[in-house]
Amino acid sequence: NAGVMQNPRHLVRRRGQEARLRCSPMKGHSHVYWYRQLPEEGLKFMVYLQKENIIDESGMPKERFSAEFPKEGPSILRIQQVVRGDSAAYFCASSPDPGGISNEQFFGPGTRLTVL
Amino acid sequence: KQEVTQIPAALSVPEGENLVLNCSFTDSAIYNLQWFRQDPGKGLTSLLLIQSSQREQTSGRLNASLDKSSGRSTLYIAASQPGDSATYLCAVRLLETGNQFYFGTGTSLTVIP
Repeated sequence: NAGVMQNPRHLVRRRGQEARLRCSPMKGHSHVYWYRQLPEEGLKFMVYLQKENIIDESGMPKERFSAEFPKEGPSILRIQQVVRGDSAAYFCASSPDPGGISNEQFFGPGTRLTVL
Repeated sequence: KQEVTQIPAALSVPEGENLVLNCSFTDSAIYNLQWFRQDPGKGLTSLLLIQSSQREQTSGRLNASLDKSSGRSTLYIAASQPGDSATYLCAVRLLETGNQFYFGTGTSLTVIP
């Protein structure tokens, strides 16, 4: 059973461009979480999604950031008009069905975004 | 708001030594606590998950304890090895907002051969 996959592993963008980060959860997992790790800081929760639904986006910046988890395909974290402060490692985690707070979250290797 | 603190921020020990990493949290109404290791430039590997009703969990040379009332958890590593060198993170999930983990900033461990 392959683990959580994220691509790309490294992404370089210039200010103003768009960044798309992809996350494929573990097989059989339908719950996806995105976290951001800024340099010298701990991981911070961004958003929790189930298939086709955003359950909790309390950690998402109000502008430029969006996330989706379609019925088919990976979860996408999209950052529009990137700025230097968006440079960070973005981690995706998944948990199995039934989802919820009793289950472990399994983390992917992360996407390291650098904004020039 | 949940604050998670890990002390020390960095630790260097000789190979073979037993060691303890500390994690404290301000809101004791947690659902569970999970310890992870993070290798440089890599993702997180889950080590141990402790539900709020449990006092400890063990896996190989690792033992994690939880004292919910005092807001503390410890990760005990026995007979440390150079391969244990990594950053160790603890994370808690609250009863109230159970979807998200609150992470500490980690303890960077170096085991010297």
